[in-house]
Amino acid sequence: EIVMTQSPATLSVSPGERATLSCRASQSVSSNLAWYQQKPGQAPRLLIYGASTRATGIPARFSGSGSGTEFTLTISSLQSEDFAVYYCQQYNNWPSFGGGTKVEIK
Amino acid sequence: QVQLQQWGAGLLKPSETLSLTCAVYGGSFSGYYWSWIRQPPGKGLEWIGEINHSGSTNYNPSLKSRVTISVDTSKNQFSLKLSSVTAADTAVYYCARPAVRYCTNGVCYTGYFDLWGRGTLVTVSS
Repeated sequence: EIVMTQSPATLSVSPGERATLSCRASQSVSSNLAWYQQKPGQAPRLLIYGASTRATGIPARFSGSGSGTEFTLTISSLQSEDFAVYYCQQYNNWPSFGGGTKVEIK
Repeated sequence: QVQLQQWGAGLLKPSETLSLTCAVYGGSFSGYYWSWIRQPPGKGLEWIGEINHSGSTNYNPSLKSRVTISVDTSKNQFSLKLSSVTAADTAVYYCARPAVRYCTNGVCYTGYFDLWGRGTLVTVSS
């Protein structure tokens, strides 16, 4: 099993600021990495796939980068609707998810 | 617009069998594999397994001994059974569809998920 580790567990950011979230894989997953956003009481929403491709309808302020074992999700200017929990998921093997990063209002 | 609608018992006693069903409306059923994913309260996501329209299944090795996923193509539905549940199985269970499958060296894996059901909270308590 490929273990996905996200950091930090919680990120406190002010609206309008940049948020940088990290995801590390226990072995290389190439670019087979997705990011999701989840709000309370809702299912996850796909943001990024292929490490850097935005899903349909996702604003340009969300960007992903990385390959191999190190990945980053950047939210360039946080909007009120962006405060949520973010998960990474690898699909280079049977899927596994990171433990999540909660982005909260500072 | 493809939608997933899921249902099933929300409260179980230890040792009982969890049973959930997910129906696919408004789109192709046979062209995809269909997954179950769960999320314990306040925790991360765990892939449980998948099935296609032909009944071909793949399971998470950590749950394989207790999981059965089945399909009813006449109704565009697929179902999850998890036996011998304990409190550790308390979670929100989601049905989901991967947008693609990733294939390498002759093996294909479930990809990333672009369509999710609303989730069903299953609580295991005596």
